[in-house]
Amino acid sequence: DTEVTQTPKHLVMGMTNKKSLKCEQHMGHRAMYWYKQKAKKPPELMFVYSYEKLSINESVPSRFSPECPNSSLLNLHLHALQPEDSALYLCASSQGRILNYGYTFGSGTRLTVV
Amino acid sequence: QQPVQSPQAVILREGEDAVINCSSSKALYSVHWYRQKHGEAPVFLMILLKGGEQKGHDKISASFNEKKQQSSLYLTASQLSYSGTYFCGTDTGNQFYFGTGTSLTVIP
Repeated sequence: DTEVTQTPKHLVMGMTNKKSLKCEQHMGHRAMYWYKQKAKKPPELMFVYSYEKLSINESVPSRFSPECPNSSLLNLHLHALQPEDSALYLCASSQGRILNYGYTFGSGTRLTVV
Repeated sequence: QQPVQSPQAVILREGEDAVINCSSSKALYSVHWYRQKHGEAPVFLMILLKGGEQKGHDKISASFNEKKQQSSLYLTASQLSYSGTYFCGTDTGNQFYFGTGTSLTVIP
């Protein structure tokens, strides 16, 4: 299995809703990431998990809450989002924190906040 | 700290060549190249580690000038399937940033 699987592919949520994005990989990668991408912009790093521990949090608002239940799963819990949070949310994995082998990205969740 | 890519956009006819440049203000451990088609996730193309190497497969290759902190992606005899946005990614060992992006369109 050489894929990163993200669900759902599309999500529309209100500003008072609570929802979660899910990401799964079975490549034995020990680092997993959440990226946010706005249209026509490069991906921006949100969170990094290395060996299931949060190692980098790029000053992301607390309305985004990551969770890594085990080495194969990564969740992003969403609560009280704003319309400007609408974006493509990408999950990625790599063999380790040293990126000698590049990222493998999931297909993303396109989030719309109304 | 975000690497700067040039050009921002380029339009090619099938069979033409293109060069995309990526320039960083920081010393680099490695440079990655990714291609992202509209509405899809970025796809890893290749990585170049410090040591000034050049890599390639098929008609897409890249070079990394460690001293200048620059990398270039070379696309030869372009195909319609090459269309998309190309991002470099630079790893300083402590931080990784995607570049500003280059939109490449190949027309028949």
